[in-house]
Amino acid sequence: DTAVSQTPKYLVTQMGNDKSIKCEQNLGHDTMYWYKQDSKKFLKIMFSYNNKELIINETVPNRFSPKSPDKAHLNLHINSLELGDSAVYFCASSQNYNEQFFGPGTRLTVL
Amino acid sequence: LAKTTQPISMDSYEGQEVNITCSHNNIATNDYITWYQQFPSQGPRFIIQGYKTKVTNEVASLFIPADRKSSTLSLPRVSLSDTAVYYCLVGDTSGNTGKLIFGQGTTLQVKP
Repeated sequence: DTAVSQTPKYLVTQMGNDKSIKCEQNLGHDTMYWYKQDSKKFLKIMFSYNNKELIINETVPNRFSPKSPDKAHLNLHINSLELGDSAVYFCASSQNYNEQFFGPGTRLTVL
Repeated sequence: LAKTTQPISMDSYEGQEVNITCSHNNIATNDYITWYQQFPSQGPRFIIQGYKTKVTNEVASLFIPADRKSSTLSLPRVSLSDTAVYYCLVGDTSGNTGKLIFGQGTTLQVKP
């Protein structure tokens, strides 16, 4: 069974479009995260949710919005996509901010 | 914020011990140090976590000096399958003021 899953694995879209990436974890963790990894392999945290409450909100454009329908899901919505949004997006989860379990990543390409 | 600095790349040979150091001069009192391993086209995977002194598990050791301004990940007797990117993460695990900062990653190349 996959611990942290993301869909889709690949996403190719045009500038200006709105898209969503879904994330689900079956580990029973109370905290979920979204990270962005750029072409230089830098990993930057974007958001974290703890018990459906936003705890960390790094300086990201407000075009990005996390939505958590329940404790096991944290989806990422992106409005008005820009070229610079092209990257790999990772979802992760943890219990009490300890060891994080990462999903396989979603490679977003904006044309 | 506790910014982290790691070497960009390292080379080693099979069977050798590899030590990767991460600098985090501004580490806060509540911050823990965690190391992750990432293979191409995969998400990072937890290796080890510590607060001070030395921590050892079945795959690695983590050495943290008393001032905690740096940490060293030690991989004993590496194999070709240890070729990966290794990230140092410094962050508060209390959940109250967490600011998780990943280093830029160290690409380890293990040669036969």
